[in-house]
Amino acid sequence: KAGVTQTPRYLIKTRGQQVTLSCSPISGHRSVSWYQQTPGQGLQFLFEYFSETQRNKGNFPGRFSGRQFSNSRSEMNVSTLELGDSALYLCASSLILGGRGEAFFGQGTRLTVV
Amino acid sequence: KNEVEQSPQNLTAQEGEFITINCSYSVGISALHWLQQHPGGGIVSLFMLSSGKKKHGRLIATINIQEKHSSLHITASHPRDSAVYICAVTGSNYQLIWGAGTKLIIKP
Repeated sequence: KAGVTQTPRYLIKTRGQQVTLSCSPISGHRSVSWYQQTPGQGLQFLFEYFSETQRNKGNFPGRFSGRQFSNSRSEMNVSTLELGDSALYLCASSLILGGRGEAFFGQGTRLTVV
Repeated sequence: KNEVEQSPQNLTAQEGEFITINCSYSVGISALHWLQQHPGGGIVSLFMLSSGKKKHGRLIATINIQEKHSSLHITASHPRDSAVYICAVTGSNYQLIWGAGTKLIIKP
């Protein structure tokens, strides 16, 4: 069974640009959650999608958005990039909504904003 | 005060030592998770538990619901165990609440 796949693994963008990250969950998993991890910080919850609907959202500005497709694949978009958006972005898939199920993480996308 | 507190923040030990990482939480939970993050960034789920004790190889996780405390133990530690260990709890709204992580270094 393939694991959670995130693409791309590494990305360098310039301030003001926008970026789209992709996450393919484990087959059969309907929940995809996104997290931001900055150096020395714990994981900060961005949002969770389940069956193509955003179910939970963290405290991030509207520049951060996402969506989920009918095949459960999810994309995350960040517009008008700022230097502080440089981080490791992780997605996790789970069979069920919320933290009630075991979460399986991808390798992450390391975004650098210059 | 954070809802999930881990201790210690950093831990360095010699190969073969018995390791204990602690996690205390202040909210009602339905489950507690232990995860491992290696320097490359990927996170692996180690345990999900809601009571008692679970064991997987050299790893043991325990939880005391009354005391709102969990421990992760590593027996016969090895340099490949070097990683950040993260505790997270499933809160009443079913969202995960994350600890800050414990950075473990095992020296040969």
